[in-house]
Amino acid sequence: GNSVTQMEGPVTLSEEAFLTINCTYTATGYPSLFWYVQYPGEGLQLLLKATKADDKGSNKGFEATYRKETTSFHLEKGSVQVSDSAVYFCALSPYSGAGSYQLTFGKGTKLSVIP
Amino acid sequence: DTAVSQTPKYLVTQMGNDKSIKCEQNLGHDTMYWYKQDSKKFLKIMFSYNNKELIINETVPNRFSPKSPDKAHLNLHINSLELGDSAVYFCASSQEDLWGVSTDTQYFGPGTRLTVL
Repeated sequence: GNSVTQMEGPVTLSEEAFLTINCTYTATGYPSLFWYVQYPGEGLQLLLKATKADDKGSNKGFEATYRKETTSFHLEKGSVQVSDSAVYFCALSPYSGAGSYQLTFGKGTKLSVIP
Repeated sequence: DTAVSQTPKYLVTQMGNDKSIKCEQNLGHDTMYWYKQDSKKFLKIMFSYNNKELIINETVPNRFSPKSPDKAHLNLHINSLELGDSAVYFCASSQEDLWGVSTDTQYFGPGTRLTVL
């Protein structure tokens, strides 16, 4: 079956520190990979995505590269801000047939950035 | 303008009751989804639905049923609520491409926090 494993949190960093959140996956075929972010009290927002091997998704200073050889999609940001404090979810989306994608999520990593 | 909206935001109810959560999307999308997020923040798909087919996660109890009055709405009905149903429920939607295949980017609502006492 499909699964996503991401690093356990919580992660606490000082402002302007470098961020890496590891994500590895197991899937059949060629899934699309995503990072979603959930700010406190809000729903999930798509942060970035990559649809094929070696693609790099990027948004708001965050980046992740689809590595098929290591089945990984690690999230990175060079300099975090307090406003980046949130829960980050890695997810994959294989095509599930009948015109529908069903996302499989990792367990989420809570990031706290302190001034 | 809210793209995917849910009501209510909070729902507190007694065990054994029947309740509904509403979801509406104004994005013109063809496929909608329901997810459950437990107390440890773990997210799991419950249903996906378009005008052609309902796909049900086999682990979802049949006390849960999605109902779609039209393409823009997918409501979640829950019968005989149990303590373990307490969670945050998220609705989401995605677009279909020209070939009628849903694209994989999903847009989420703000969530409904259900508490069963």
